[in-house]
Amino acid sequence: SYELTQPPSVSVSPGQTARITCSGGALPKKYVYWYQQKSGQAPVLVIYEDTKRPPGIPERFSGASSGTMATLTLSGAQVEDEADYYCYSTDSSGNHGFGGGTKLTVL
Amino acid sequence: QVQLQESGPGLVKPSETLSLTCIVSGASVSSGNYFWTWIRQPPGKGLEWIGRVSYSGTTDNSPSLKSRVTISIDTSNNQFSLRLNSVTAADTAVYYCARDLFSGQSYGYFDPWGQGTLVTVS
Repeated sequence: SYELTQPPSVSVSPGQTARITCSGGALPKKYVYWYQQKSGQAPVLVIYEDTKRPPGIPERFSGASSGTMATLTLSGAQVEDEADYYCYSTDSSGNHGFGGGTKLTVL
Repeated sequence: QVQLQESGPGLVKPSETLSLTCIVSGASVSSGNYFWTWIRQPPGKGLEWIGRVSYSGTTDNSPSLKSRVTISIDTSNNQFSLRLNSVTAADTAVYYCARDLFSGQSYGYFDPWGQGTLVTVS
């Protein structure tokens, strides 16, 4: 499988900006998708194709990708954004992978 | 509204075969724009992509599980299935099914997901 690397945890105060990174060797040529998973729930897509927001996802969620690193940004994080976040992508060989996940704490 | 629902045994013995079905409602598994995907999550750990099947039955599985995994599609009953043989305790996980939509440039748009089902190997 394809290995993507995320920081295990990120912590911010409410209203601050949270940034979660995802690094992978194939990211210059492949898109990244970001998933939010709240405790006991199935994941939910929050960003697709590096920068796009699905319907219903608040504007405070944004994505960017440059070189081998993608970044999910929460501008003005809220307590309800506290969750695990996973990046997903593929490599040039067709291998699929999720990052190890980042626990976002907002307090 | 598209909904996916996993079904199958919650307990499997070591060395036996895990079998799960994902029942799809509100969309046809025969649609050419989707892959139908299995993803799992061991307790307290991260997500792992298992594999996917297209409407035509073409499959694509994780190399780490490839020899043990079979994913199939049943268009008559609008569902798809996962079989994982020779299971061990390491296969204990919540198993999710999800639709993978081509989002314009790529696949990876997993939506919706099933609620997930815990399968324990013991």
